[in-house]
Parts: sequence; structure tokens; C-alpha cells
Amino acid sequence: GEQVEQLPSILRVQEGSSASINCSYEDSASNYFPWYKQEPGENPKLIIDIRSNMERKQIQELIVLLDKKAKRFSLHITDTQPGDSAMYFCAAMRATGGNNKLTFGQGTVLSVIP
Amino acid sequence: AQTIHQWPVAEIKAVGSPLSLGCTIKGKSSPNLYWYWQATGGTLQQLFYSITVGQVESVVQLNLSASRPKDDQFILSTEKLLLSHSGFYLCAWRAEVFFGKGTRLTVV
Repeated sequence: GEQVEQLPSILRVQEGSSASINCSYEDSASNYFPWYKQEPGENPKLIIDIRSNMERKQIQELIVLLDKKAKRFSLHITDTQPGDSAMYFCAAMRATGGNNKLTFGQGTVLSVIP
Repeated sequence: AQTIHQWPVAEIKAVGSPLSLGCTIKGKSSPNLYWYWQATGGTLQQLFYSITVGQVESVVQLNLSASRPKDDQFILSTEKLLLSHSGFYLCAWRAEVFFGKGTRLTVV
């Protein structure tokens, strides 16, 4: 099945700087790549996504890049704030029969230092 | 708007005891429903999905079972809990969006 590798597992950045999280996947049939932010005790929240027909997407301070050839995608948070501190997950989805199977990366704990 | 309700919010159960977790969605007819599990501090895994009443497919074997008794309801259960079942269980009506608040299960 699909495997998604996510790095780094821990990321500490100064407030106002940028944070980058990288993911790679194996299955070339994966066509949808969401990113989630999870705060302690809460469920994961979808924050941005990109489909395989795009290379770049930006929502405010969040930028996602997708390189289908290399099977890599990444999340960049510009001008980080303490409120960005959380666990972040990338995921890759492919449709298999009636199931849209979502495979998650191992997560990145982001700490933004004031 | 669609709303998804999970119950209970949290459970503490003994090893070997039975478990039943529920999920109900309102505002969406014939939804695809999914169960996910997250070990404490870990990543998320898709456990089951269902595209119609009475039909459930298993994605990962964790000694759990699921049922879809009604169009808007999805149940996760087991007759004998293991310590490894502890974690956060999430129900979703779309594979990529989590509307349920989740159930936190602690097996002792």
C-alpha cells in the first residue's frame, strides 16, 4: 500500500521565520494531498490541500508545493506565530474502488519560539 | 450543513471488556463514512470505510469490527479490548475532512 514519509519529526523555529515540512509518497496514483493541523486534545483540522493537477497553492501564510515527478510535496508556513505551534500531518489520497484511501505521514511537531 | 456526532466523548475501559463507539451524520444522504484511529502521540490510520448501509470494508486489522446499521450511522466495536486499542477514534463522512470531535479511549 501507499507509504508517506514526513520530515522532520520535530521543528523549532523563531517567531516570524518560515517553517517547512516535507513529505514523499510512493504511489503514483495518489492524486490529492491534504495537510492537517492538530492541537493537543483536538481532532485534526484540514488547513490546506493540493490536487495532482496543481504545483503550487497558497492560502494566506500557508504554501504547499507538489512535485509529482519526484513524488514529493511540502508545506511552508511563512511568518510563523506562536499560534502555529501544533502537530502537522501530511497525507496522500488515492481512490481505490469505493474508498478514498488516505495515508498519513508520521507527523511534525512544530514549536514557534516567541 | 452537515453535522457529525461521535459518542462517547471519552471512555476508560478494562482490558478484555467490550466496546462500542458510535458516529451519526446529519445533513448528508448516503454518505461515505470512515473510521480512523490515532495512537497517542502517533499518526492516523484508516480502519474502515462504508459506502452504503450494511456494507463495511476493513482497511487495517486491529481486532475491531464496524457496522453500518443505518444510512447515517457507523458503529465501531469489539468484544474484547486490548491495551493497544487505546487512542483517539475519529469518524468522518469524507475521507479527507474530519468533522467528528472524536472519542478518546483509554484501555487499562
